[in-house]
Amino acid sequence: KAGVTQTPRYLIKTRGQQVTLSCSPISGHRSVSWYQQTPGQGLQFLFEYFSETQRNKGNFPGRFSGRQFSNSRSEMNVSTLELGDSALYLCASSLDSTNQPQHFGDGTRLSIL
Amino acid sequence: EDKVVQSPLSLVVHEGDTVTLNCSYEVTNFRSLLWYKQEKKAPTFLFMLTSSGIEKKSGRLSSILDKKELFSILNITATQTGDSAVYLCAVALNTGNQFYFGTGTSLTVIP
Repeated sequence: KAGVTQTPRYLIKTRGQQVTLSCSPISGHRSVSWYQQTPGQGLQFLFEYFSETQRNKGNFPGRFSGRQFSNSRSEMNVSTLELGDSALYLCASSLDSTNQPQHFGDGTRLSIL
Repeated sequence: EDKVVQSPLSLVVHEGDTVTLNCSYEVTNFRSLLWYKQEKKAPTFLFMLTSSGIEKKSGRLSSILDKKELFSILNITATQTGDSAVYLCAVALNTGNQFYFGTGTSLTVIP
């Protein structure tokens, strides 16, 4: 069974640009969550999608947005990039809202110049 | 505010040593506690604990949860260099599928 797939693996952008990251969950998983990981802050929860609906949202500005498609694939968009957005963005999927662990992709490393 | 705190932040041990990693939490609507191991890339799932006092084991790793005192420990016996990683503790809430992560414990095992 294929794991969680994130694309691209690496991205370099400049301040002010926007970026879209993609996540394909494990087959059959309907819940997709996004996290930002930085050395000082650890994993910070961005948002969670389930059945194409955003169900939970972390404390990030509106520049961070996401969506989920009918096949459970998810995208995350960051607009007006800032230097502080440089981080590893991780996507995790799980079966549904019952007590199941999340499984992570390898992440997208975003660097802002 | 919901929070998950791990200690120590980092640890350096010799091969063969036994280590104990700690995770304490203060959250509303607790559902379960999870441990992950992160090497270079994706965190990989180790354990999920929902009930107090029941030890989960996988080889040299074991973990237990205390829901009264709001903490969990992860034990690694006879450590090997391949155990070097960041160990993450996460708490899952009953509200949707939301997880709060600690900042992790960085474990280095030297030969």
